[in-house]
Amino acid sequence: GENVEQHPSTLSVQEGDSAVIKCTYSDSASNYFPWYKQELGKRPQLIIDIRSNVGEKKDQRIAVTLNKTAKHFSLHITETQPEDSAVYFCIAGAGSYQLTFGKGTKLSVIP
Amino acid sequence: NAGVTQTPKFQVLKTGQSMTLQCAQDMNHEYMSWYRQDPGMGLRLIHYSVGAGITDQGEVPNGYNVSRSTTEDFPLRLLSAAPSQTSVYFCASSLIPTGGHQETQYFGPGTRLLVL
Repeated sequence: GENVEQHPSTLSVQEGDSAVIKCTYSDSASNYFPWYKQELGKRPQLIIDIRSNVGEKKDQRIAVTLNKTAKHFSLHITETQPEDSAVYFCIAGAGSYQLTFGKGTKLSVIP
Repeated sequence: NAGVTQTPKFQVLKTGQSMTLQCAQDMNHEYMSWYRQDPGMGLRLIHYSVGAGITDQGEVPNGYNVSRSTTEDFPLRLLSAAPSQTSVYFCASSLIPTGGHQETQYFGPGTRLLVL
């Protein structure tokens, strides 16, 4: 089955700096790579996703890049703000009924 | 449009007790699933369903049962609770993946379960 590795497990940045979270996956059939944000005590919520026919996708301060050859994808957050503090999960999906989650990255933005 | 709802929000059980975690969605999603979230482990799939009457096992199904009698509801049953089942449980729903394309999953607010 699919295996998703996510790094780092914790990340602290100063407000205004950029944050980068990286994930690798093992199943070459995976073609859907969403990122979820989970604030403390809340449900996971989709913030951005990318499909295998594109290499990069941006939405305001958030961007995701995908390298299918190397089987890795990354989340980039620019101009970080305190409200970006949360746990972020990467996911790999192969158009099947099961999504494989990374173990999460706890991002802390220091004011 | 309430989205995905779960009850209860919090539950304490004694070892050996049984209970049902409720999940409902009003988005007419065929696909529904249950995850458990443990510290440092991410979310792991317990069971999922692709429509009424159809269920299948995920990564960690042992100790849990599910059934799907309607499109809207997907309850998760613990037949004999164990301390290892202490966790936060999330229900999620989405449209059915078609043509090899995955669909966005929407999560419920979660149920925090403590088994003593």
